[in-house]
Amino acid sequence: DVKVTQSSRYLVKRTGEKVFLECVQDMDHENMFWYRQDPGLGLRLIYFSYDVKMKEKGDIPEGYSVSREKKERFSLILESASTNQTSMYLCASSPLREKLFFGSGTQLSVL
Amino acid sequence: QKEVEQDPGPLSVPEGAIVSLNCTYSNSAFQYFMWYRQYSRKGPELLMYTYSSGNKEDGRFTAQVDKSSKYISLFIRDSQPSDSATYLCAMIMIKAAGNKLTFGGGTRVLVKP
Repeated sequence: DVKVTQSSRYLVKRTGEKVFLECVQDMDHENMFWYRQDPGLGLRLIYFSYDVKMKEKGDIPEGYSVSREKKERFSLILESASTNQTSMYLCASSPLREKLFFGSGTQLSVL
Repeated sequence: QKEVEQDPGPLSVPEGAIVSLNCTYSNSAFQYFMWYRQYSRKGPELLMYTYSSGNKEDGRFTAQVDKSSKYISLFIRDSQPSDSATYLCAMIMIKAAGNKLTFGGGTRVLVKP
């Protein structure tokens, strides 16, 4: 079974803090994704990566950056957290950018 | 107008009933279709994947695609309380620059014992 592990289930941060969300997959997938999920807005793609050190902006990249130094690890960085970044963050991986395998999510609250 | 429309529900049914979910889409370039199930406070998990018009069955689940009407459905037979979850449809457009995956907003389903 594919396993996508997100380092934290729940995080509480203060406005202005730098926040790191970590994601690790164990299936040697080329593609990794970061989404945020909000009630009424569904899943929105923040960034994705199709190879080590490669990244592409998704639909809502503003306020976020990503890092992929190793194939199995994809990190999402909030440079200066704001209250409107309070959300559920979901990491996913995929062999061919088709079927996505999701982690359990990180519920981030920015106060 | 959203590319993929999905009724948010909630859809409440008694145990044993058939659950009927659907999504409509506007772009005929979508070629692959999926259904995900998401339990509360969990990530979505892939349920069904199909690329052609017609029906695909997997146990109690049937996925139906009608490309001419731009309409996809998911049916759950003999529904169980454990089927209570949010169901998201997803569609893929194959592009030279890379596949584009678009999700519906999800339908919340509640199966009452």
